[in-house]
Amino acid sequence: KQEVTQIPAALSVPEGENLVLNCSFTDSAIYNLQWFRQDPGKGLTSLLLIQSSQREQTSGRLNASLDKSSGRSTLYIAASQPGDSATYLCAVGSNYQLIWGAGTKLIIKP
Amino acid sequence: KAGVTQTPRYLIKTRGQQVTLSCSPISGHRSVSWYQQTPGQGLQFLFEYFSETQRNKGNFPGRFSGRQFSNSRSEMNVSTLELGDSALYLCASSPSEGTGSLWTGELFFGEGSRLTVL
Repeated sequence: KQEVTQIPAALSVPEGENLVLNCSFTDSAIYNLQWFRQDPGKGLTSLLLIQSSQREQTSGRLNASLDKSSGRSTLYIAASQPGDSATYLCAVGSNYQLIWGAGTKLIIKP
Repeated sequence: KAGVTQTPRYLIKTRGQQVTLSCSPISGHRSVSWYQQTPGQGLQFLFEYFSETQRNKGNFPGRFSGRQFSNSRSEMNVSTLELGDSALYLCASSPSEGTGSLWTGELFFGEGSRLTVL
């Protein structure tokens, strides 16, 4: 059974720092992995989608990597800004399901 | 291009009642999926529809049902509401059309419908 874990559950850093969010999964047989952002009381915004054949994807200050063999993905945020404050979730497409992590709540302090 | 629209945004019901939530996908998207989000269980997949057919279903009781219309708009219904059904219900549409699009394509989410059951 696929399980997705996100560490840490919460993170608070000063503005301007580079940071890394982690997502791990137990079964390497995945179709893809997606990173989402969720603002309080809102829906989810897709940030990056990595297909199983890819190693990384980049969008602006965001870079996501995928290592299926170790069951890990990282989301790298460069030069963090207060507007980056949100909950970040990863979701793994696996075994005809979409399995979600519990999320990392990120707070960027001005 | 308009995003995914969910209505109503907020609603309050009492135990035993039923509720219907609506989702209009992005124009041209034929895959619509529904999710329940609670503080305790996180995000859980409810079901997915493609071209008016339910293709995938999560592990929820039969009180949870849905349908999709020919214009790709989708509705989900929860009957005999329980306190534990209080949640944010999210709808997502996807441009991918393959059988596995739910887990291979990019998902675009609506703002959600927040249901409170008293």
